[in-house]
Amino acid sequence: GAVVSQHPSWVICKSGTSVKIECRSLDFQATTMFWYRQFPKQSLMLMATSNEGSKATYEQGVEKDKFLINHASLTLSTLTVTSAHPEDSSFYICSASEAARDNQPQHFGDGTRLSIL
Amino acid sequence: GDSVTQMEGPVTLSEEAFLTINCTYTATGYPSLFWYVQYPGEGLQLLLKATKADDKGSNKGFEATYRKETTSFHLEKGSVQVSDSAVYFCALSDWTGNQFYFGTGTSLTVIP
Repeated sequence: GAVVSQHPSWVICKSGTSVKIECRSLDFQATTMFWYRQFPKQSLMLMATSNEGSKATYEQGVEKDKFLINHASLTLSTLTVTSAHPEDSSFYICSASEAARDNQPQHFGDGTRLSIL
Repeated sequence: GDSVTQMEGPVTLSEEAFLTINCTYTATGYPSLFWYVQYPGEGLQLLLKATKADDKGSNKGFEATYRKETTSFHLEKGSVQVSDSAVYFCALSDWTGNQFYFGTGTSLTVIP
């Protein structure tokens, strides 16, 4: 089945550091990947839609200069949290669906737990 | 706009009890509907899906039927196990397939 690999699974870093999270579709191509953020005990919140070869589409209220998204190939999207601060600590999850197929479910990575000290 | 309303939790059941988690949706066009499960400390996993009216998705003893007349996609299981303890999310993919909407999640705890 379709597998999405997300790396790293857990990262702890100092305030002011920039952190890059990778999301890879291992056995399928994904023209679109999604990035979510999950606050404790809450549902996922869509942050942005990552489109291969073009700029990401950000949801209202999400700072695009803070959360940089790059989707350079059909199997890789990256989310970079720039100059991270403690309020950026959260669980970040990416998802992808197979390209050129309708009504396909999203396949999720295992998530990245980001802790900013 | 499109949205998903999910039964609030937490839900606590005894092992072998019957489970229903309600989910209703609002959407234009013909969305696809999904249930995802998140076990403690893990990412989301697709549990089941239905892509058109009257479709029934099923997996691991869980079932949900896409009811267009009532705009519902309730999750059911006849006999829950301790290992079913998790958070369950109802989700909707709009007709373009490019936008996902999640419910707030329902935490289920099954006690022996």
